[in-house]
Amino acid sequence: NAGVTQTPKFRVLKTGQSMTLLCAQDMNHEYMYWYRQDPGMGLRLIHYSVGEGTTAKGEVPDGYNVSRLKKQNFLLGLESAAPSQTSVYFCASSPRSGANVLTFGAGSRLTVL
Amino acid sequence: GQSLEQPSEVTAVEGAIVQINCTYQTSGFYGLSWYQQHDGGAPTFLSYNALDGLEETGRFSSFLSRSDSYGYLLLQELQMKDSASYFCAVRSHNTDKLIFGTGTRLQVFP
Repeated sequence: NAGVTQTPKFRVLKTGQSMTLLCAQDMNHEYMYWYRQDPGMGLRLIHYSVGEGTTAKGEVPDGYNVSRLKKQNFLLGLESAAPSQTSVYFCASSPRSGANVLTFGAGSRLTVL
Repeated sequence: GQSLEQPSEVTAVEGAIVQINCTYQTSGFYGLSWYQQHDGGAPTFLSYNALDGLEETGRFSSFLSRSDSYGYLLLQELQMKDSASYFCAVRSHNTDKLIFGTGTRLQVFP
């Protein structure tokens, strides 16, 4: 099993450009999450989803949008990238019955110039 | 809201025992989790305390005291490969959000 797969792994954007990060999981997990990680800030929750067709805001949702049209996919969009969004983004998933055990993807490093 | 506090850095030598503390302020949560992250890697799950008390998994143990709003991760017989960042996390009853602490960087020296 691949687990949680994130694409792309690396991306450089110019300020104002848009992009989408894709997260795919093959474990039939109900819950999916997007976190960003910055030096000294730990993991901060951007958006999350408790099931197909549902999304909710996390701690730092501004400037991001998400969609969960299919159970296995969770997309994170940046409509107009800003330098403050330079970060490493991690997607994770968990089953409803074991919701505290997250499986993470390898991460996507985004640089906004 | 929720906030979790951890020491930013801990150092120890091989073979020693180290304790990483996590204090939290949250209104209702399911339990305390711990994750390990090596430099350049993704976080991986270590342990989960649903109830008060000690959970042991090999060289690692985790403890939770809800009355004290406090938990810790205990690492025994430290090895060089244990050098990593360690994060505690809680899930809110109300929102299902899983929130992480700022992390503790553990450096193990020979």
